[in-house]
Amino acid sequence: TQLLEQSPQFLSIQEGENLTVYCNSSSVFSSLQWYRQEPGEGPVLLVTVVTGGEVKKLKRLTFQFGDARKDSSLHITAAQPGDTGLYLCAGARGNYGQNFVFGPGTRLSVLP
Amino acid sequence: KAGVTQTPRYLIKTRGQQVTLSCSPISGHRSVSWYQQTPGQGLQFLFEYFSETQRNKGNFPGRFSGRQFSNSRSEMNVSTLELGDSALYLCASSLPRLAGVNEQYFGPGTRLTVT
Repeated sequence: TQLLEQSPQFLSIQEGENLTVYCNSSSVFSSLQWYRQEPGEGPVLLVTVVTGGEVKKLKRLTFQFGDARKDSSLHITAAQPGDTGLYLCAGARGNYGQNFVFGPGTRLSVLP
Repeated sequence: KAGVTQTPRYLIKTRGQQVTLSCSPISGHRSVSWYQQTPGQGLQFLFEYFSETQRNKGNFPGRFSGRQFSNSRSEMNVSTLELGDSALYLCASSLPRLAGVNEQYFGPGTRLTVT
């Protein structure tokens, strides 16, 4: 049983389309992070959200942390081929937020 | 500031052998975590070291072990390799910025193939 679920598992869209991917859990996290990973490389940190209801924007990417700090979403506006990759969410637990649990990821393909 | 480095990047071993992987964290980071990533299981937590002490451990057999040195560099060792140990092994370092908030930065990984 995955502690963190991500949906959809796969997504293939055309350049210029908008999309939203979701990260859900029944557990509460002290913070939640989103990463993008390209084949053969390590995940690259995109954002950390900490406060319930928090919204952060990174250019065309908008991240939201659920009010109860159990779920999060990532919205991409006008997707570009450079957005292609595996999007991972990770929830932090533990007294110092040092214990991370990763979701299985959403594999996004943006076609030109 | 240099990122997390991992060596070697690629490794091919045969069943029964052992392997040691190395990770150098970002300068100033004292926490190092190790993960195994496979297509079927995704990213799975192996262990975390902080100030040379293993602080957390995932659900892996005792063949997987690690250590951290006084300069925060870390190594992980896998003994008696099995075919199922083929994976991308990722190291991540972190530095607490705010109370209870940690941000992990990953290295490029070591691709281990067991034949």
